[in-house]
Amino acid sequence: DTGVSQDPRHKITKRGQNVTFRCDPISEHNRLYWYRQTLGQGPEFLTYFQNEAQLEKSRLLSDRFSAERPKGSFSTLEIQRTEQGDSAMYLCASSQVRLAGEQYFGPGTRLTVT
Amino acid sequence: SQQGEEDPQALSIQEGENATMNCSYKTSINNLQWYRQNSGRGLVHLILIRSNEREKHSGRLRVTLDTSKKSSSLLITASRAADTASYFCATDFSSGNQFYFGTGTSLTVIP
Repeated sequence: DTGVSQDPRHKITKRGQNVTFRCDPISEHNRLYWYRQTLGQGPEFLTYFQNEAQLEKSRLLSDRFSAERPKGSFSTLEIQRTEQGDSAMYLCASSQVRLAGEQYFGPGTRLTVT
Repeated sequence: SQQGEEDPQALSIQEGENATMNCSYKTSINNLQWYRQNSGRGLVHLILIRSNEREKHSGRLRVTLDTSKKSSSLLITASRAADTASYFCATDFSSGNQFYFGTGTSLTVIP
């Protein structure tokens, strides 16, 4: 399968716990994006990597959120001290620089904070 | 706040009819894209139109862009039940660094 994959697909956690999500982009894609989507809304940009460098981060992103992309391949998104308001679908997308704009999305990780 | 806003929020049509949805945005853009999202799934890229283009076609899809009005429209011709989904526009005004999605149009095609 050559698409974007995300793991896990679903995560239920208690408030205050830390969670980590993984995204594996399409192998030749050097750009990787994280978005958050709540019910009835469009995806909200969180952060963006080009290769291993994190180049953009939303001003709305709490310091409880951190993302990494070691070696410019897969990426992880960690949320520390989760809150109920963090419940959402977390989407990852990848693209190539030469096709800037055309993003390929993964299936998402649905987080429920109880 | 999100850059793009789709209109209408919801649209219900009979199979075979055409569906038109609109997107308005606030600032100058490099390009605008349309995506489809089936319930509970990730987004699928449909079409990208650059700021210097006015119209683009892909199969049953036709996208127009009016930069003077800061708006775009997506036309789906001869709709099918499988077209039932949410449709989002996304705008890029920072050379591929950040994309802003609207709130989407929920399309229902009745067989």
